[in-house]
Amino acid sequence: AQSVTQLGSHVSVSEGALVLLRCNYSSSVPPYLFWYVQYPNQGLQLLLKYTTGATLVKGINGFEAEFKKSETSFHLTKPSAHMSDAAEYFCAVSEMNDYKLSFGAGTTVTVRA
Amino acid sequence: NAGVTQTPKFQVLKTGQSMTLQCAQDMNHNSMYWYRQDPGMGLRLIYYSASEGTTDKGEVPNGYNVSRLNKREFSLRLESAAPSQTSVYFCASSEWAGIGETQYFGPGTRLLVL
Repeated sequence: AQSVTQLGSHVSVSEGALVLLRCNYSSSVPPYLFWYVQYPNQGLQLLLKYTTGATLVKGINGFEAEFKKSETSFHLTKPSAHMSDAAEYFCAVSEMNDYKLSFGAGTTVTVRA
Repeated sequence: NAGVTQTPKFQVLKTGQSMTLQCAQDMNHNSMYWYRQDPGMGLRLIYYSASEGTTDKGEVPNGYNVSRLNKREFSLRLESAAPSQTSVYFCASSEWAGIGETQYFGPGTRLLVL
């Protein structure tokens, strides 16, 4: 069974600083990987996903993530944080033979002016 | 397009009461899902429907039932609510039950069971 670990339940960054959210997964086979964002009082919205091909994936709002098989990681980054990036971020995984998603516990990002 | 809609937005129940959470999507998707979100635990799958006419249990199905009414609608029923079912419930849909498919989420229903 899949498990997803997001390191750090809360991350605080200054506006304009790098945003780095960590995600590690356990899987016996290469998985499919997703990052979702949840703004306050809203549902989840897909930021980006990795299925096959290029390991550096670009998403919406300037976010990107890199799949590193050797480290079983899929960390999310954004070079310069904006106030509008304040939200909760979820990493999710599905195995190649199972389309159901397993979600991490989430990381809440606050952005300081 | 409204995407995925859920009703109600917020509900308070007493222990033992029943209720049905409604979900509808207008994207002509084949697959639909119900999740619950609890602090520090991410989202956990309750039930899903890979296609119209089929439903299957997810990770935490106990205390819940579902109905795939038609292609658009997928309801979640709590027959006898318990305080442990206090949570935020999300409905989602995807074009089909395929590996790597993007799921689209509704705004959620906040349920408080006293």
